Amino acid sequence: GQSLEQPSEVTAVEGAIVQINCTYQTSGFYGLSWYQQHDGGAPTFLSYNALDGLEETGRFSSFLSRSDSYGYLLLQELQMKDSASYFCAVRAEAGTALIFGKGTTLSVSS
Amino acid sequence: ETGVTQTPRHLVMGMTNKKSLKCEQHLGHNAMYWYKQSAKKPLELMFVYNFKEQTENNSVPSRFSPECPNSSHLFLHLHTLQPEDSALYLCASSQDPVTNTGELFFGEGSRLTVL
Repeated sequence: GQSLEQPSEVTAVEGAIVQINCTYQTSGFYGLSWYQQHDGGAPTFLSYNALDGLEETGRFSSFLSRSDSYGYLLLQELQMKDSASYFCAVRAEAGTALIFGKGTTLSVSS
Repeated sequence: ETGVTQTPRHLVMGMTNKKSLKCEQHLGHNAMYWYKQSAKKPLELMFVYNFKEQTENNSVPSRFSPECPNSSHLFLHLHTLQPEDSALYLCASSQDPVTNTGELFFGEGSRLTVL
């Protein structure tokens, strides 16, 4: 079967750096995506990695290692508004929809 | 209107009722999706439509019936549901499911409670 593993909860303080890991076991691999979802809101796209390495977008960065079936989302200079759930998602086969992990709840305190 | 709009936002129904969830996307996308989000579980893919044709059905029970009359609209018809079907139902769209870069645009969901 297809599975993605990520921690269920992470806590941090404002201004800190936090890393949310994601490991996947899927039949194939066509890319790793990250989404953010605030309580009561829609999931919103953050980043996408198809090749190994680090992608940086402002305070958020995402990393992928295909040989390790592993990726992470790095959030820097944390703000209270970053408190949300973060989901990793994999496209296992070409032309098919994303498979999501259970999500990591990030709580940022002052 | 922008993005992906879902109605109703909240729905309470009995197990013998028939109701429908509606999704409309204003992004000019060609693919639309239904996902189910339950507490402590991953988002579960239900159905995928590409250019109005159903391309994926993730072993969803027949009490859920999707309809895609055009590339902008997607419905989920519900009948004789069970209490365990209570969840947030999310609609999403993307430009093209074959070549897209993993970016889905989600609506805010329809919160369904089955009594």
